[in-house]
Amino acid sequence: GNSVTQMEGPVTLSEEAFLTINCTYTATGYPSLFWYVQYPGEGLQLLLKATKADDKGSNKGFEATYRKETTSFHLEKGSVQVSDSAVYFCALSDLSFGNEKLTFGTGTRLTIIP
Amino acid sequence: EPEVTQTPSHQVTQMGQEVILRCVPISNHLYFYWYRQILGQKVEFLVSFYNNEISEKSEIFDDQFSVERPDGSNFTLKIRSTKLEDSAMYFCASSDFGYSEGLTEAFFGQGTRLTVV
Repeated sequence: GNSVTQMEGPVTLSEEAFLTINCTYTATGYPSLFWYVQYPGEGLQLLLKATKADDKGSNKGFEATYRKETTSFHLEKGSVQVSDSAVYFCALSDLSFGNEKLTFGTGTRLTIIP
Repeated sequence: EPEVTQTPSHQVTQMGQEVILRCVPISNHLYFYWYRQILGQKVEFLVSFYNNEISEKSEIFDDQFSVERPDGSNFTLKIRSTKLEDSAMYFCASSDFGYSEGLTEAFFGQGTRLTVV
């Protein structure tokens, strides 16, 4: 079955530090890959996505590249801000078997300190 | 910007009681979902709904759970007899479907925090 393995948290960084949150996946088909973010007290928001190999998703300074050879979709940001503090979820959706549900990783709690 | 709305934001119920969680998906979307997140754990898929029927459900979605689209706008999740372990944040989501593009991403509501006491 499908699965997503995500870097364990929590992660604490200083403002303007470089961020990497690792995500690898297992899928039997050709998944689309997503990063969702959950700010304190809020629901899940799509941060970025990539639908095929070598695609790069980007939004709000965050980037992730779909690497089929390493089955990875690591999230990166060059300079984090306090407002980036949130829980980040890597997820996949494998449509090749008509399966549109999302499979999530465990989430990584990110705290940015001034 | 269109959004998925969920009500109530927080519900407290006694064990054994029935609860109905309500969602209004984005109006032109065709696929609807419920997920849940037990505190501190991963977001788990419960059920997907398309064309007025369940298209897939997880092993969590047992006979105590049901979903319904009673009219053209609402999508509900009913838990018939709540257990303590049903305490979680429940997220509704919806997505569009384009034949040339495949499904777009799922848009999530703010969630309903269910507390069973």
